[in-house]
Amino acid sequence: EDQVTQSPEALRLQEGESSSLNCSYTVSGLRGLFWYRQDPGKGPEFLFTLYSAGEEKEKERLKATLTKKESFLHITAPKPEDSATYLCAVYGSSNTGKLIFGQGTTLQVKP
Amino acid sequence: EAQVTQNPRYLITVTGKKLTVTCSQNMNHEYMSWYRQDPGLGLRQIYYSMNVEVTDKGDVPEGYKVSRKEKRNFPLILESPSPNQTSLYFCASSLGQGGEKLFFGSGTQLSVL
Repeated sequence: EDQVTQSPEALRLQEGESSSLNCSYTVSGLRGLFWYRQDPGKGPEFLFTLYSAGEEKEKERLKATLTKKESFLHITAPKPEDSATYLCAVYGSSNTGKLIFGQGTTLQVKP
Repeated sequence: EAQVTQNPRYLITVTGKKLTVTCSQNMNHEYMSWYRQDPGLGLRQIYYSMNVEVTDKGDVPEGYKVSRKEKRNFPLILESPSPNQTSLYFCASSLGQGGEKLFFGSGTQLSVL
């Protein structure tokens, strides 16, 4: 059964304090791993797609990496506006059309 | 502006009273899906559709119905709502088979009393 586990559940950082969010996954035939950002009261917003181990994507202070078992979302020198819930999701070859989401990591960045 | 529009934004109803949450996208996307989001459980897929007249069950389809009669619309129907369907619902669409970039609506907060 495809499964996604994110850790930690919540993370508090000081502005400028870099850290990483983890997404561990079990999936038959990974076709894609996705990161989304969700602000309170809003729908998730797409950040990155990763397709194969070793791949990396960057956007401003965020960098996503992928191995065969997990993905990391690295946040470098975060700012208060980076505060949000970050969701990881996987798409496997055995479940066409189904995207499995993790429970998310809620990040709070204090000034 | 490319968007997924859900209505209503908030809905309070009573047990057993049929309701429909509408979802419309203006991006000519093939794929549309419904999710519910509950504290501690994350986003769970209810139903999805990969094309007009084609729908499939997600992980939590019980108590819900959907239809895809035209490409842009994908309504979610609760024939007889129950309190355990109180949740935050999101509609989403994507160009491909659902494994690509999803565009989400703003959500519908449903309370069933």
